[in-house]
Amino acid sequence: DQQVKQNSPSLSVQEGRISILNCDYTNSMFDYFLWYKKYPAEGPTFLISISSIKDKNEDGRFTVFLNKSAKHLSLHIVPSQPGDSAVYFCAARGLSGSARQLTFGSGTQLTVLP
Amino acid sequence: SAVISQKPSRDICQRGTSLTIQCQVDSQVTMMFWYRQQPGQSLTLIATANQGSEATYESGFVIDKFPISRPNLTFSTLTVSNMSPEDSSIYLCSVVHQGTDTQYFGPGTRLTVL
Repeated sequence: DQQVKQNSPSLSVQEGRISILNCDYTNSMFDYFLWYKKYPAEGPTFLISISSIKDKNEDGRFTVFLNKSAKHLSLHIVPSQPGDSAVYFCAARGLSGSARQLTFGSGTQLTVLP
Repeated sequence: SAVISQKPSRDICQRGTSLTIQCQVDSQVTMMFWYRQQPGQSLTLIATANQGSEATYESGFVIDKFPISRPNLTFSTLTVSNMSPEDSSIYLCSVVHQGTDTQYFGPGTRLTVL
């Protein structure tokens, strides 16, 4: 049973426009959410995170929105740049014990077209 | 953030052999993990490397196949034993610093088993 789902395996966006990557989760015990970017042949790079007590966190061009009632989060990148082309993973974690381990979505390949 | 290095970065191995992957962190960390990313898949947690005691393995992973050592707070090894082509994956070391919620990843080791 997939507890973290990224239903769009790929997304193409024009340079300068907004990229919106979506993620849904089923486990209501998740309280911390992270987004990672991964280039081929590299490890995932941490981008931005959000705690369940917030509904928005912003860092430069990246903003993460959390809708707890819908169990949905999204990553907005604006403006999108060609260097943003990568696979984006969302991940979620619970409060304590084994629940603190990250559960990853399947990833979305973002392509930013020049 | 932590600076994490892994050796080797990639290897091609014969069926039935074993490979040990090293993970070195530039600072003391509380938690170290080993993940696997099979081709086209998301990241799957293999085990939590515990300092001074046996690793904690996730369902589907066993110590005989993936022995792990963590002799101190900055170093860990993962061995992939008696390899088969199904073990071809990227293996990733990951860490969490004390007092933080963010998990960082190493660059990964790309393993191909012939």
